[in-house]
Amino acid sequence: DIQMTQSPSSMSASLGDRVTITCQASQDIGNNLIWFQQKPGKSPRPMIYYATNLANGVPSRFSGSRSGSDYSLTISSLESEDMADYHCLQYKQYPLTFGSGTKLEIK
Amino acid sequence: EVQLVETGGGLVQPGKSLKLTCATSGFTFSNAWMHWVRQSPEKQLEWVAQIKAKSNNYATYYAESVKGRFTISRDDSKSSVYLQMNSLKEEDTAIYYCTPYNWAYWGQGVMVTVSS
Repeated sequence: DIQMTQSPSSMSASLGDRVTITCQASQDIGNNLIWFQQKPGKSPRPMIYYATNLANGVPSRFSGSRSGSDYSLTISSLESEDMADYHCLQYKQYPLTFGSGTKLEIK
Repeated sequence: EVQLVETGGGLVQPGKSLKLTCATSGFTFSNAWMHWVRQSPEKQLEWVAQIKAKSNNYATYYAESVKGRFTISRDDSKSSVYLQMNSLKEEDTAIYYCTPYNWAYWGQGVMVTVSS
C-alpha cells in the first residue's frame, strides 16, 4: 500500500501568515493527489485536484505543488475562515490512502 | 443541485450486520464511480470501497480492513449505492460518507457505532 505521511499533525498560525502542509508519498503517485478541507461538523471539501489544480470556487490564496514525492498545500495569506482540518488523498493505486490530517488553528 | 443522503447507521453489537444506503440526485448516477469513505472518532479519514459503472462491469475494490466483510453495490434505477457491513468490529465505528468519482460532492455522513 502507498503510505501518505502528512505533516504537521497540527499547527497554529496568525492571520496573514503563509502556511504550508505537506504529504510525502511512499511510492510514485504521479500527480494523483487531492487536498481536502474539512471544517468542524462538515464533510470534506476538495480544494486541490491533481496536486496543483484549484477546485471550483476555492480562493486563489490556496495552491498546490509537488517536489519529488513531497506534495504541498500552501495558503499564501491565512484568513480566519481557513481554520479547519486538511487531508491529502492519493488515488494512484488501490487501496486509496489518506494522510493522517493536519489541524490548522488560528493564533 | 447534487445531493447525497446516507442512511442506515446506528448502534450495533460486534459481530452483527448493518446496511448503509446512499441515495443520490442531481447528477448522472449510472455513469458515476462511487466511493464509501469513513472517518473515525479520531478524525482519520479512510477509504473503504469503490464501485465502478456498468460499462466497467460494476468492478469493486475494497480496503484491506473491510475485505471479506463489507460489500458495496449499486442500483442505477434508484441512483443509490449501498454498503453491506457484516461481522462488524468496534474499529468499524465511524461516520460513513458516500462520494462520487470526482470527490466533489459528499453527503452529511451517517454514524455507525459498534459496541456491546
